Amino acid sequence: DAGITQSPRHKVTETGTPVTLRCHQTENHRYMYWYRQDPGHGLRLIHYSYGVKDTDKGEVSDGYSVSRSKTEDFLLTLESATSSQTSVYFCAIKPEGSTDTQYFGPGTRLTVL
Amino acid sequence: SQQGEEDPQALSIQEGENATMNCSYKTSINNLQWYRQNSGRGLVHLILIRSNEREKHSGRLRVTLDTSKKSSSLLITASRAADTASYFCATAGGSYIPTFGRGTSLIVHP
Repeated sequence: DAGITQSPRHKVTETGTPVTLRCHQTENHRYMYWYRQDPGHGLRLIHYSYGVKDTDKGEVSDGYSVSRSKTEDFLLTLESATSSQTSVYFCAIKPEGSTDTQYFGPGTRLTVL
Repeated sequence: SQQGEEDPQALSIQEGENATMNCSYKTSINNLQWYRQNSGRGLVHLILIRSNEREKHSGRLRVTLDTSKKSSSLLITASRAADTASYFCATAGGSYIPTFGRGTSLIVHP
């Protein structure tokens, strides 16, 4: 599992509340990614990071922010959750020199009521 | 928008049969990868094929790449019930950001 954990694994929240998902890795990889997975859409990139405090937007970044103050942690925040953000969220890392191969965490299932 | 698109969306076969799924993409790539996802789990990398390669094998997996047609296929030979999963292709160009398709759902009946 490449030493990747995600927390929480499941969360139910209400519309308008802030939510933060955490991705933690144990191997100090530089590249980290947040995806969401929805039926009919596959995986879509939300944000990614290429180092501490270095982040960039992905395909579906609206409504999400990220922070990376330490190499091992990549946080995804929904400032004000909406029902459209109900999804399964996956974190991934890419080891340097691995030619784009990614390793995924176990996922967080988020339900926004 | 997604770069790779898998076909078929769903595939149902009997144990022992071969399973073939295809991936088409739109722009030039450096490499193409296949991942498997078991229900409720994260994606697991299966195999990577570079743009200058035409075929690659790994155990019961065979991947082909035709850059002129912008397509790839994944063949699983002698399938097993444990191969039941969703399979995704991911294409990568010059950035470190693979782009995933919507996946093929494979069911292998014992």
